[in-house]
Amino acid sequence: AQSVTQPDIHITVSEGASLELRCNYSYGATPYLFWYVQSPGQGLQLLLKYFSGDTLVQGIKGFEAEFKRSQSSFNLRKPSVHWSDAAEYFCAENYGGATNKLIFGTGTLLAVQP
Amino acid sequence: KAGVTQTPRYLIKTRGQQVTLSCSPISGHRSVSWYQQTPGQGLQFLFEYFSETQRNKGNFPGRFSGRQFSNSRSEMNVSTLELGDSALYLCASSLVSRDEAFFGQGTRLTVV
Repeated sequence: AQSVTQPDIHITVSEGASLELRCNYSYGATPYLFWYVQSPGQGLQLLLKYFSGDTLVQGIKGFEAEFKRSQSSFNLRKPSVHWSDAAEYFCAENYGGATNKLIFGTGTLLAVQP
Repeated sequence: KAGVTQTPRYLIKTRGQQVTLSCSPISGHRSVSWYQQTPGQGLQFLFEYFSETQRNKGNFPGRFSGRQFSNSRSEMNVSTLELGDSALYLCASSLVSRDEAFFGQGTRLTVV
C-alpha cells in the first residue's frame, strides 16, 4: 500500500539552529509531494510542493525541500529556526490518478528551545 | 480571497446521535476532500467530491457519508456516533486534480 514515512516523531532544536525533517514516500515514478504545517487546534497550511522540475523547491516562511528520487525522499529544511516555527509538520503524497486524495505521514512535532 | 470555511468549529454530541459538518470551499474550487485527524491514527482520508460526484472514498464504515452541492459546498454526515469518532475533521478544497489542497480550520467533534 502507498505510504509516507516520517521517521522522527518529535524533534527539538535551538532557536537559530538549522532544521531538517525527513520524509520518505513509497509510490510513483512522478510523485506529487507536499509539506504542510499545523499549529495546535488549527488546519493545515501548505509550506511547499513538488510536482516536477527543479528538485530543490522553495516554500513560504524560509523553508525549502529537496526531492531525491534515488532515496525516495523529500526532506524539509530551514537554515535558521525561529520560535514561531514550533508546530507539527506533515509530509504528504498525492494518491495518483485524477484525484486530490493525499496520503499523509504521521507528522513530526517540532519544539524550539530559546 | 476567502479561504475554506468549516462550520461549526466545535461540536459535542452523545453516542448514538448523528452529526452534519459543513464545508465551503474556496470560490471556483470544484474538489472537496474530507479528512479525520486523531492522535492515534493521524490524518486519514474520508472521501473526495468533484462536481457533485464522489470520486474517492477512504476506508471508513458506511456511517460516514458526504455530499456536494452544485455550488461546491460539501457536507459530511456521521450517523450512530461512537466514542471513537471524536476527532478533528478537516475539509480541503482544490482547483483541479493532483493540485495543492487548501485546508479549513476544522471541526472538533467530541462524542460523549
